[in-house]
Amino acid sequence: DTEVTQTPKHLVMGMTNKKSLKCEQHMGHRAMYWYKQKAKKPPELMFVYSYEKLSINESVPSRFSPECPNSSLLNLHLHALQPEDSALYLCASSQASSSYEQYFGPGTRLTVT
Amino acid sequence: GESVGLHLPTLSVQEGDNSIINCAYSNSASDYFIWYKQESGKGPQFIIDIRSNMDKRQGQRVTVLLNKTVKHLSLQIAATQPGDSAVYFCAENIPGNQFYFGTGTSLTVIP
Repeated sequence: DTEVTQTPKHLVMGMTNKKSLKCEQHMGHRAMYWYKQKAKKPPELMFVYSYEKLSINESVPSRFSPECPNSSLLNLHLHALQPEDSALYLCASSQASSSYEQYFGPGTRLTVT
Repeated sequence: GESVGLHLPTLSVQEGDNSIINCAYSNSASDYFIWYKQESGKGPQFIIDIRSNMDKRQGQRVTVLLNKTVKHLSLQIAATQPGDSAVYFCAENIPGNQFYFGTGTSLTVIP
């Protein structure tokens, strides 16, 4: 199984809502990532988890809160988002946290109204 | 057809022609590079990778060339097909750091 799955595929939320994005992989990878991608732009790294510990936070606002419950799951909790946070949120995983191919999920298309 | 990445973010080629997509990377310490293909509405898909101790690597219909002297990476696609239409990103890995993606080039294959 070389698949990274993400749910939901689409999410529309208001600025006062709380929602969560979910990501799962069963490849035994020990590094997992959240990226944000705006239209016609490259993915931008948000967070890196290595062995279930947060190793990199690329100065992401606190309204985004990552969580890694176990080595196969990665969540991104969303609260009090702004319309400019609307984007495609991509999850990825790799064997380790550096110099290894990252496998990407299909993404969650988030719209903040 | 050929792109120069940042300066020509779009590339159109005739079906059956060869495509060359270029990427200038930023850090001379980068040791690993990946080309990704991203189709509309999907996540990036791995195409081919190369480590900094190599200057060329070939896959099925694709070749990656690495020129460390000028910090340049290229992806060559042979006999381009309509299914190759997508946005192509290069990504560089800086040791002890993470992958950073280039701007991307949109490839359109004209049947």
